[in-house]
Amino acid sequence: QSVLTQPPSASGTPGQRVTISCSGSSSNIGSNTVSWYQQLPGTAPKLLIYSNNQRPSGVPDRFSGSKSGTSASLAISGLQSEDEADYYCAAWDVSLNGPYVFGSGTKVTVL
Amino acid sequence: QVQLQESGPGLVKPSETLSLTCAVSGYSISIGYSWGWIRQPPGKGLEWIGSIYHTGSTYYNPPLKSRVTISVDTSKNQFSLRLSSVTAADTAVYYCARHLQGGVAAGASPWGQGTLVTVSS
Repeated sequence: QSVLTQPPSASGTPGQRVTISCSGSSSNIGSNTVSWYQQLPGTAPKLLIYSNNQRPSGVPDRFSGSKSGTSASLAISGLQSEDEADYYCAAWDVSLNGPYVFGSGTKVTVL
Repeated sequence: QVQLQESGPGLVKPSETLSLTCAVSGYSISIGYSWGWIRQPPGKGLEWIGSIYHTGSTYYNPPLKSRVTISVDTSKNQFSLRLSSVTAADTAVYYCARHLQGGVAAGASPWGQGTLVTVSS
């Protein structure tokens, strides 16, 4: 059972906005920054968001992240078919000097 | 452009030691950053195994700590994972990755393509 809780699935039609939540605690999200990863089918995860809301070079601005208290969110605006993937949140957990914990993952389906 | 490539046996027997190597190109690991291992059992989510800083300091996931060793070979520009006393529960795709400038907590990019390790007799 993951320390960070995500909904197992989310869906939307092309062009819609989809939001994925990530719920944690004071020892992880509440104390550290959140990253988001996108994993397309059969491929390695790719960093999508770091430091709660920063996009690495090359990531479209359709992807945005936010954090409030012990929860974080990833929003995909203008949903596209190529956004169909698994999305994971992650954060360092200060208890026991780590670990770096991942969320349970959310499968985004483009209808 | 930094690239990472995992290598190692695809099949390991129960109770034996899993050994993987991550070759890094496009950057000298002796200069900086931290480098980590993450795994993903078939059909399941991601699990951080541990990471090593360029200084040699290591951080391991507590449930795995007693079985994990991560080391760096700067002469070959690669880092390695050893996981002892493996069981079927250790069957997974194993990824190596570079963490961002802020360390393990900052996130990881880029990642290697991953290598499937199956534990079976």
